[in-house]
Amino acid sequence: SAVISQKPSRDICQRGTSLTIQCQVDSQVTMMFWYRQQPGQSLTLIATANQGSEATYESGFVIDKFPISRPNLTFSTLTVSNLSPEDSSIYLCSVSSWVGDYGYTFGSGTRLTVV
Amino acid sequence: RKEVEQDPGPFNVPEGATVAFNCTYSNSASQSFFWYRQDCRKEPKLLMSVYSSGNEDGRFTAQLNRASQYISLLIRDSKLSDSATYLCVVKDNNDMRFGAGTRLTVKP
Repeated sequence: SAVISQKPSRDICQRGTSLTIQCQVDSQVTMMFWYRQQPGQSLTLIATANQGSEATYESGFVIDKFPISRPNLTFSTLTVSNLSPEDSSIYLCSVSSWVGDYGYTFGSGTRLTVV
Repeated sequence: RKEVEQDPGPFNVPEGATVAFNCTYSNSASQSFFWYRQDCRKEPKLLMSVYSSGNEDGRFTAQLNRASQYISLLIRDSKLSDSATYLCVVKDNNDMRFGAGTRLTVKP
C-alpha cells in the first residue's frame, strides 16, 4: 500500500495566520483526500484533491478558507487560512489504497492548535 | 439521520472477553465497507474489509447484512493491545463516510 509522509505533525498558530500542510505519497495516485477530525469526533471530508483541476469541496468547506494544491500525482497541500480557535483540529490526508478492497491509507495527521 | 451510526460506547472489558460492535448505514447503494482502528493521537488504520459472506481475520470477525444495512465487528479473546477506537466506514463511489467511532478499553 501507499506510504504517505505528512508534515508538519503539529503546530501552534496565532489567530489570523495560515498553516499549510503537505502530503507526499511514495507512488502516483489519482485522488488525494483531506479530512478534519475535531477532538472526540470522527473524520469529516474537507475536499478531494484532483491533479490538473480544482479540488472538489464538501458542503460547509470553501476554497477561500481551505485552498488546496495538487501539482502532481504524488503531492498535495492543504492551507487553513485566517485561523481561528475553531480550526483547532487534526487534519489528515489520505489516498485510495490497493490494500483491502480499496480502503484508504492515511497520513499521520497534523495536530493544529490556534491560540 | 447520520449516514453511518455506531454504538456510542465506551466499552470497558476484561482481557479475554468477547466484544461486539454494531454499525448501521443509511445509503442502501453503498458499495464497500470497512472497519478501521484508531489509536489515541494516531491516524486511522485499516483493520479489515467487510464482505457480504462475512470474513474472519484471526480473532476478528466482520459481518455485513445489506438488507438491514448493518455491519458488525466481533473481537474474541480481547487483548490489552486491542484498546483503541474502532471506526465503521462505508464507501459510496469514492466517498468514504466514517462513523463516530466506538472506544474500547481492555483491562487486565
